[in-house]
Amino acid sequence: EAGVVQSPRYKIIEKKQPVAFWCNPISGHNTLYWYLQNLGQGPELLIRYENEEAVDDSQLPKDRFSAERLKGVDSTLKIQPAELGDSAVYLCASSAPDRAYEQYFGPGTRLTVT
Amino acid sequence: QKEVEQNSGPLSVPEGAIASLNCTYSDRGSQSFFWYRQYSGKSPELIMSIYSNGDKEDGRFTAQLNKASQYVSLLIRDSQPSDSATYLCAVNKGSNYKLTFGKGTLLTVNP
Repeated sequence: EAGVVQSPRYKIIEKKQPVAFWCNPISGHNTLYWYLQNLGQGPELLIRYENEEAVDDSQLPKDRFSAERLKGVDSTLKIQPAELGDSAVYLCASSAPDRAYEQYFGPGTRLTVT
Repeated sequence: QKEVEQNSGPLSVPEGAIASLNCTYSDRGSQSFFWYRQYSGKSPELIMSIYSNGDKEDGRFTAQLNKASQYVSLLIRDSQPSDSATYLCAVNKGSNYKLTFGKGTLLTVNP
């Protein structure tokens, strides 16, 4: 079974530029999560999707962050414009309908904003 | 008080010893508890889940949950150098599937 796929793995951009991250969850997993992980910290939830619906986006900074999951499978997380403080690892995770508490993470995208 | 607290370590144990990792949580309504392993530069990997008081064993790993004392622990028996990683404790409070993570404990197993 293929795991969660994310791209790109690394991204370096200048501040004020836009950036987008892509995630393909494990096949059959209807719930998709985007997390942010700073160095030395645990992951923090940004947004959770059930199928194509964003059911928890309370932690997403909506002034600059946006996300979509149009067909209930792949998802894209966007930052526009990026700030220096956005430098972090952005993790995507997914979970199956009958085991929703058990989340499986992708390899992450390491973002550096200069 | 932080929602999920872990000693950041590092915790250093010799090869073959038992490593004991601890986690406390603040919300008594928490229902589900997880341990993730994260190697340096990699993403978290789910290794144990526990939902009721007591012990749950899986190979060399044992998770222990005490809801009255609001702590969950992970024991790793016969520790191997390949167990060297950061171990993240995660807690779910209810039906919204949101996990709250601790900062993690860095474990080093010395050959």
